[in-house]
Formats: sequence, C-alpha cells, structure tokens
Amino acid sequence: NAGVTQTPKFRVLKTGQSMTLLCAQDMNHEYMYWYRQDPGMGLRLIHYSVGEGTTAKGEVPDGYNVSRLKKQNFLLGLESAAPSQTSVYFCASSYGLARELFFGEGSRLTVL
Amino acid sequence: AQTVTQSQPEMSVQEAETVTLSCTYDTSESDYYLFWYKQPPSRQMILVIRQEAYKQQNATENRFSVNFQKAAKSFSLKISDSQLGDAAMYFCAYRTITSGSRLTFGEGTQLTVNP
Repeated sequence: NAGVTQTPKFRVLKTGQSMTLLCAQDMNHEYMYWYRQDPGMGLRLIHYSVGEGTTAKGEVPDGYNVSRLKKQNFLLGLESAAPSQTSVYFCASSYGLARELFFGEGSRLTVL
Repeated sequence: AQTVTQSQPEMSVQEAETVTLSCTYDTSESDYYLFWYKQPPSRQMILVIRQEAYKQQNATENRFSVNFQKAAKSFSLKISDSQLGDAAMYFCAYRTITSGSRLTFGEGTQLTVNP
C-alpha cells in the first residue's frame, strides 16, 4: 500500500518546454487534488477532481491542464513552462468529504 | 470563497513547554471541517488533528489539542510538552463540503523548538 505517489520528484525545465506530473493513489479515493507550494503562501489549489473523468479549476489554474482518465491517476500538465511555475507541487487524495487529505511527497519543479 | 489566516509566521518554544498556534478563518457555511497539518523539513504533509464544525467538543490527539470557537471562527492548536521532533511548519486548513470539497490552507507558522 504505497498511498499517494508522485513522479517525478525533481525536474528542471527550460522556459517553453512541456511536462507532465503523474499522481497515483492506491486507496480507491474519489477526490484528487493538485496544489502548489510557494514560500510564504501556503498551498494553493491548482485543479481538482471529484471522480474519474471529471476535473475542475481551483484557485490558480492558469498555465496548467489536468486529466483523470483512470480513478487512481491524476495528471498535471504544463504545456509551455514559465519561470513563475517554479514551485513544489503536491498531489493529494481523499475518500470522502469528512476525511482528511493524504498527500504525496511533493515534486520540485524549476523552470529556467 | 473561504480564507484562512495564520497571523504568526514564526513561533518558538522551549522543549517540554506548551505553545499555542493561532488560526482564524472566514466562511458563511455552517458545516465544514478544520485541520492542522505539519510539514517537517522532509516536506511531507502530516495530519496532526481534525475537527468537525458540528461538534462542540474540542479534538485532542495525545499532546495536541485544539480550541475551536465556531462563533469567533477561530481554531488554535496547542502543543503540550513540546519535543524537538515537533519543529516544523504548521498549516491550518479549512475543508468545505461544497465546491469539490476543497481544502484551503493558511500561510503557515514555522515552529522552532529550543533544547
């Protein structure tokens, strides 16, 4: 039982490059979330999903796209990376409304 | 939209002493959930404690307890008998039951534990 797994853990990109972050959970959770963490700003929600095949925008969605083709996976894509997207990205999942979110270990992305 | 405010960017406490971290939130909802998460240098987000808004009784978890004041929209965390391993960034978070049940975080409080 691995919980929430994010890949890759680290990545360096050049401005304009694209990449995809993969989040996988083995807990059969319905809800999945992508957050970014920047110094002094806590965690801010990028996109989220309330079930397979569904996605919705969060607080800071610009420049990102997501897909949830399978219940256990939630992908975060950057089509044309910008230096402002340098951050630590966290994926999280939850079984239901009343439960806590379980987080992955984070992925550090640097855009040069 | 809900907002969460942690007014103490940094706090320090002596080992074995007690410290209280403050959190306030703004919402028009009557039903929701509140959490404290801990983030040590390893970057892992660890759940410390959870509180349901419909429960008047304050949640406790070993050395961790909360003071939940619903009318005042306040949710403080008390750490008793502080240990060196408690040193971390602490985040207060609000979870709505609507809008995808999103979790909104405060800015965090960096806790230092002095030996």
